[in-house]
Amino acid sequence: DAGVTQSPTHLIKTRGQQVTLRCSPKSGHDTVSWYQQALGQGPQFIFQYYEEEERQRGNFPDRFSGHQFPNYSSELNVNALLLGDSALYLCASSLSFGGDADTQYFGPGTRLTVL
Amino acid sequence: RKEVEQDPGPFNVPEGATVAFNCTYSNSASQSFFWYRQDCRKEPKLLMSVYSSGNEDGRFTAQLNRASQYISLLIRDSKLSDSATYLCAVNHYNTDKLIFGTGTRLQVFP
Repeated sequence: DAGVTQSPTHLIKTRGQQVTLRCSPKSGHDTVSWYQQALGQGPQFIFQYYEEEERQRGNFPDRFSGHQFPNYSSELNVNALLLGDSALYLCASSLSFGGDADTQYFGPGTRLTVL
Repeated sequence: RKEVEQDPGPFNVPEGATVAFNCTYSNSASQSFFWYRQDCRKEPKLLMSVYSSGNEDGRFTAQLNRASQYISLLIRDSKLSDSATYLCAVNHYNTDKLIFGTGTRLQVFP
């Protein structure tokens, strides 16, 4: 049973650039959530995708956008990168309905460094 | 005040000790509760969901106190391999947004 996968594992960008991170959910899951985790902090919710639409959004600027594809995989895009965007970006997958519906499973993350 | 609060620790305990962490939440609409374990520079891994009746998984016991709005995690017979950061997370009714605490760091020494 394939777990959540993310790519790339590490990324170094400079201020002002744009980045795209990718996530494939756990087999059988249909919902993808994205989180940002700064050093020493807990993960912060960015947004969630279900049925190819953004269902919920956290307190992040419009520079953060996403997409979900028909196969449930997802992308997170960040434009005009700032130094403060350096963090571990985590993707979590879940089921929208069913007994385990509110349980989220995380991928290994993408560590983004902005110079 | 943060919506989910944890003592950051570190908790330094010897092998075999029993250690307990608490996590308080401020929003009474919180519906589901979880403990995650996170090793250094790795992703959070689900340790256990927390149910109203409490639940146990081997050496780990989780409890929920809705009246006082906190959840707890008890680890018995600590192992060196239990050294990690333990994150609590809650979500609200009708949302799937997990809100995390900053985590409690546990260090088990020989």
